Amino acid sequence: GESVGLHLPTLSVQEGDNSIINCAYSNSASDYFIWYKQESGKGPQFIIDIRSNMDKRQGQRVTVLLNKTVKHLSLQIAATQPGDSAVYFCAEKGSSGSARQLTFGSGTQLTVLP
Amino acid sequence: EPEVTQTPSHQVTQMGQEVILRCVPISNHLYFYWYRQILGQKVEFLVSFYNNEISEKSEIFDDQFSVERPDGSNFTLKIRSTKLEDSAMYFCASSDGVITNEKLFFGSGTQLSVL
Repeated sequence: GESVGLHLPTLSVQEGDNSIINCAYSNSASDYFIWYKQESGKGPQFIIDIRSNMDKRQGQRVTVLLNKTVKHLSLQIAATQPGDSAVYFCAEKGSSGSARQLTFGSGTQLTVLP
Repeated sequence: EPEVTQTPSHQVTQMGQEVILRCVPISNHLYFYWYRQILGQKVEFLVSFYNNEISEKSEIFDDQFSVERPDGSNFTLKIRSTKLEDSAMYFCASSDGVITNEKLFFGSGTQLSVL
């Protein structure tokens, strides 16, 4: 069935380095993707989104890249800071035939080392 | 910045009891959602709500679950007879209804523990 999966469950980076978190999706019908950050004990926090008619979108210190050919999504965080330590989820919309239901991936735990 | 608020933050209940989880969505939003996350697992969709009725629901959202918007601000999830496997973090979310670029904003969740 459709799925949104992450390549790595954990990622450790040095403070100040760039982080890249990857996500694979299986349904080419997905038309909207979101990255969420979830800190311990909190709800998912919106980071950045991208529609399927785009390849790249930039925010403040974050960039999302979408490769529809290989169904791959990535989140790049520039100059990673301790406050970036969290679990990062990708989510897609449209894969289940639903206009609004988000399907979440498994999450990647990002740890920023001092 | 507007935010989705949820109460209580923690709820402990006995198996078979009814629980009501409460949410106050962002005030100008039109769509409301409940998701849940079992410890260590993915965030799963339960139900979406628009114009005072359910618009979509998942297989998880069976007859034991119901949602209600009793007034202009609150959005509730009721579980009639809780089971052990209902133990999870329940997240409420809301969105402005613009389907093409619809960001969901999540609350901090209610941790439900069924004993």
